[in-house]
Amino acid sequence: DAGVTQSPTHLIKTRGQQVTLRCSPKSGHDTVSWYQQALGQGPQFIFQYYEEEERQRGNFPDRFSGHQFPNYSSELNVNALLLGDSALYLCASSFGNSNQPQHFGDGTRLSIL
Amino acid sequence: SQKIEQNSEALNIQEGKTATLTCNYTNYSPAYLQWYRQDPGRGPVFLLLIRENEKEKRKERLKVTFDTTLKQSLFHITASQPADSATYLCALGGRDDYKLSFGAGTTVTVRA
Repeated sequence: DAGVTQSPTHLIKTRGQQVTLRCSPKSGHDTVSWYQQALGQGPQFIFQYYEEEERQRGNFPDRFSGHQFPNYSSELNVNALLLGDSALYLCASSFGNSNQPQHFGDGTRLSIL
Repeated sequence: SQKIEQNSEALNIQEGKTATLTCNYTNYSPAYLQWYRQDPGRGPVFLLLIRENEKEKRKERLKVTFDTTLKQSLFHITASQPADSATYLCALGGRDDYKLSFGAGTTVTVRA
């Protein structure tokens, strides 16, 4: 039973570029959340997708957008990249209600030059 | 604004001892609290969940307490082993909220 898978594992971009990160949730899960984790910090909630809609959004600018597909997989898009966007981007999946444990992937390490 | 604070210092303990980690929060009334373990270069792994109406939860060598009056959770690792060395994150969730709000984590190193 595959867990949460994310691709790519590492990515290097330059300022102003755009990036797309991908996530496949754990089998049986229908909800996908995205988090940004800076070095030495805890994960910060970006948004959550459920039934192909953004259900809740954290305190991130509109440059961060996402999508969920009918098979529950998800993409995170970031436009106009800034140096401060360098971080580990984590995808987490769960099933149903909000108080369920989150299953995290190992993330995409994004470096902005 | 809400604030979640974990032990600011890393924890270094001898194998076999109990590690106790704290998670304090302000300006928040969480409906539940979760603890995760994160190893370097990996995503967090869920360990335990405790709800606001629960005082204590146990799982094998792990114990978590939740005091909504003190606005604090304690996480204990008993009979610690070198394999327990990792960063431990507390995360709070609200009643009508889908996001988890994480602390910065506490790094635990268990010496053999």
